[in-house]
Amino acid sequence: GAVVSQHPSWVICKSGTSVKIECRSLDFQATTMFWYRQFPKQSLMLMATSNEGSKATYEQGVEKDKFLINHASLTLSTLTVTSAHPEDSSFYICSAAQTDEQYFGPGTRLTVT
Amino acid sequence: AQSVAQPEDQVNVAEGNPLTVKCTYSVSGNPYLFWYVQYPNRGLQFLLKYITGDNLVKGSYGFEAEFNKSQTSFHLKKPSALVSDSALYFCAVSRSNDYKLSFGAGTTVTVRA
Repeated sequence: GAVVSQHPSWVICKSGTSVKIECRSLDFQATTMFWYRQFPKQSLMLMATSNEGSKATYEQGVEKDKFLINHASLTLSTLTVTSAHPEDSSFYICSAAQTDEQYFGPGTRLTVT
Repeated sequence: AQSVAQPEDQVNVAEGNPLTVKCTYSVSGNPYLFWYVQYPNRGLQFLLKYITGDNLVKGSYGFEAEFNKSQTSFHLKKPSALVSDSALYFCAVSRSNDYKLSFGAGTTVTVRA
């Protein structure tokens, strides 16, 4: 079946630094990937839609200059949290679309100290 | 706009008893409906989906869901619950094939031995 990986699985960074999270589709090509954010014991919130070769589409209220998304190839999308602050601490999950389904990565736990 | 409601934050059942997790949706056009399960600190695992066809959909791990258009519901069911089914369950909807999922708030299922 379709597999999506994320790296790293967890990361701790200091306030003010930037962190890059990678999302890869391992056995299929994905023209569209999605980035979600999940707070503890809450639902997933769609942050942005990442399209290969074009700019990402951000959901209302998501700062595109803070959450930089790059979809450089059909198997890789990256999310960079710039100038991270403690309130950016969260669980970030990506997904890759294929036919009628989305396949989700295992998530990345970001803690900003 | 599209949305999903999961009216129960928690569902508790005894092992061997039937399990039902409720979901209602709102979307313009034909809905694509999904159920996912999430274990602690993990990404989402796909259980089943409804796109078209038979209203009763069978999925992974013995789960099934029934699409009811008149009641705009897509309840998840399992005839005999296992302790290992204890997890967080999400219902999600998208419009046709635009892939953009809207998630419900999630229902925590606890199956006691």
